[in-house]
Amino acid sequence: DVKVTQSSRYLVKRTGEKVFLECVQDMDHENMFWYRQDPGLGLRLIYFSYDVKMKEKGDIPEGYSVSREKKERFSLILESASTNQTSMYLCASSLEGYNEQFFGPGTRLTVL
Amino acid sequence: SQQGEEDPQALSIQEGENATMNCSYKTSINNLQWYRQNSGRGLVHLILIRSNEREKHSGRLRVTLDTSKKSSSLLITASRAADTASYFCATPYTGGFKTIFGAGTRLFVKA
Repeated sequence: DVKVTQSSRYLVKRTGEKVFLECVQDMDHENMFWYRQDPGLGLRLIYFSYDVKMKEKGDIPEGYSVSREKKERFSLILESASTNQTSMYLCASSLEGYNEQFFGPGTRLTVL
Repeated sequence: SQQGEEDPQALSIQEGENATMNCSYKTSINNLQWYRQNSGRGLVHLILIRSNEREKHSGRLRVTLDTSKKSSSLLITASRAADTASYFCATPYTGGFKTIFGAGTRLFVKA
């Protein structure tokens, strides 16, 4: 059964902290994605990666960076967390660009 | 703006009734996908319909696609309380890796 896991379901951090969100997929997928989901705004793409060490900015990359050192792992980094980054973060993967995406359970991040 | 827009924003029905959700999009598509999200969880892929298909079935789900009107509909027949969730349509950008998700329809099925 296909699986995407995220390192934490809930996370509470303080303003200014560096935050790491990790995502692992076991499907040998080429593409991985990070979204944030906020009420009334739907899913917004932060970054995506189509290969190891390759990354592309999504619609809202400001304040975030990513790392993909291994095919199965895609990390989202908040260099200096701010309260407006309080959100639900969703990781996803897909075999090819047009294919369906498989999502992790999400990480609800609260920045105080 | 969002490529896919769902209608209605919210829907409340009785168990056993059918639920219909609509999605409109703006540009050419390769395929259109529908996802479900239970409260506080990740999205789950339900069904994918390609641009050259007009209708597709999967269990109690029926999806239609009208590329001339740039619209799709998701029908859930004989709904159950467990179908209570948000439903999203999604359209991958032609030629790209990005997929645009609509704002979703919140479905509440009363037992």
